[in-house]
Amino acid sequence: NAGVTQTPKFRILKIGQSMTLQCTQDMNHNYMYWYRQDPGMGLKLIYYSVGAGITDKGEVPNGYNVSRSTTEDFPLRLELAAPSQTSVYFCASSSEDLRNEQFFGPGTRLTVL
Amino acid sequence: RKEVEQDPGPFNVPEGATVAFNCTYSNSASQSFFWYRQDCRKEPKLLMSVYSSGNEDGRFTAQLNRASQYISLLIRDSKLSDSATYLCVVQRSPDNTDKLIFGTGTRLQVFP
Repeated sequence: NAGVTQTPKFRILKIGQSMTLQCTQDMNHNYMYWYRQDPGMGLKLIYYSVGAGITDKGEVPNGYNVSRSTTEDFPLRLELAAPSQTSVYFCASSSEDLRNEQFFGPGTRLTVL
Repeated sequence: RKEVEQDPGPFNVPEGATVAFNCTYSNSASQSFFWYRQDCRKEPKLLMSVYSSGNEDGRFTAQLNRASQYISLLIRDSKLSDSATYLCVVQRSPDNTDKLIFGTGTRLQVFP
């Protein structure tokens, strides 16, 4: 199993550009999450999904959108990139039975200039 | 006040030392507690859960003090490979249905 994979690993965006961060998991997990991690800060939940077709906002959803058309994929969309969105983005997944054990992808380092 | 607070460190300890970290949480309704480990520029991984009775996994011991609202992680016989950031994580629901709240982490550096 590859676990949770994320692409790209690194990206530099200009202000106002848009992009999609890809996340895929092959563990058949129903639950998927997007976090951002800023230096010196804890992981903040952006959006999460409890299954295909269902998404919900986390703590810091503004400026982002998500979709969950399949169990495996949970892409995160930035429509109008802003410098405040410079961060490391982690996607994670968990089974319904064991939601406290989240499996994280390797992260995407995004810089907005 | 942050819901989960940790001393950011770094804790610099020699190999073989015993080191302990504490983490405090503000929501007395919190029910489940965990330690995650995050290596430099890597993703977090679950280290261990923290049970009310305390629990041990090899050189690692986790304890919970509900009255004072803190959890602790003790590492005995530190190894160089223990160098990492340790994230304290809290979950509000008892039945594993709520989201995880992550602390900012405590950095440990073990030197030869």
